[in-house]
Amino acid sequence: GAVVSQHPSWVICKSGTSVKIECRSLDFQATTMFWYRQFPKQSLMLMATSNEGSKATYEQGVEKDKFLINHASLTLSTLTVTSAHPEDSSFYICSARAERGERFYEQYFGPGTRLTVT
Amino acid sequence: GQNIDQPTEMTATEGAIVQINCTYQTSGFNGLFWYQQHAGEAPTFLSYNVLDGLEEKGRFSSFLSRSKGYSYLLLKELQMKDSASYLCAVLSGGYNKLIFGAGTRLAVHP
Repeated sequence: GAVVSQHPSWVICKSGTSVKIECRSLDFQATTMFWYRQFPKQSLMLMATSNEGSKATYEQGVEKDKFLINHASLTLSTLTVTSAHPEDSSFYICSARAERGERFYEQYFGPGTRLTVT
Repeated sequence: GQNIDQPTEMTATEGAIVQINCTYQTSGFNGLFWYQQHAGEAPTFLSYNVLDGLEEKGRFSSFLSRSKGYSYLLLKELQMKDSASYLCAVLSGGYNKLIFGAGTRLAVHP
């Protein structure tokens, strides 16, 4: 089956520093990857849509200069939280969409990254 | 605007049947997904409906009515491990974005 990995699985950083989260599709090529954020007991909120080789499309209210997304290849997308603050502490989840086959519309989720900013 | 509604919490007894409803109003519709999410973990895919009707997969079934903007997830023969959040999500928009509801926390008790 389709597997998506995220690294790191958890990270603690100091306020003002930057953190990079990697999302990889391990056994398929993903033209499109999505980044979500989830606060405790809340649902997933889409932050941005990332297409390989082009700029990410950010959802309303998401600061593109704070959350830098790079989709350098068909198997890797990265999210960098710049100048992190305690309110950025959250569970960040990526997903990748398979572009071929009968599961065209199915997104495969990574295991998530727990970010804590102190 | 986009709006997806589902109950916040539900409880049920082991071995019973539970139905989780979801209503939606979205700009564009390319299908509806149900995901299961345990605390601190990523969502796992349960079902996908794009046509009206019932899709059955083992203990789980999902129903869709596009004219009513309505779906439900039916869980049969409940087990303790089914205690989780169940997320209704609609695929919409030019990039086929998944828009999630707030999720329904299901507690299964003995």
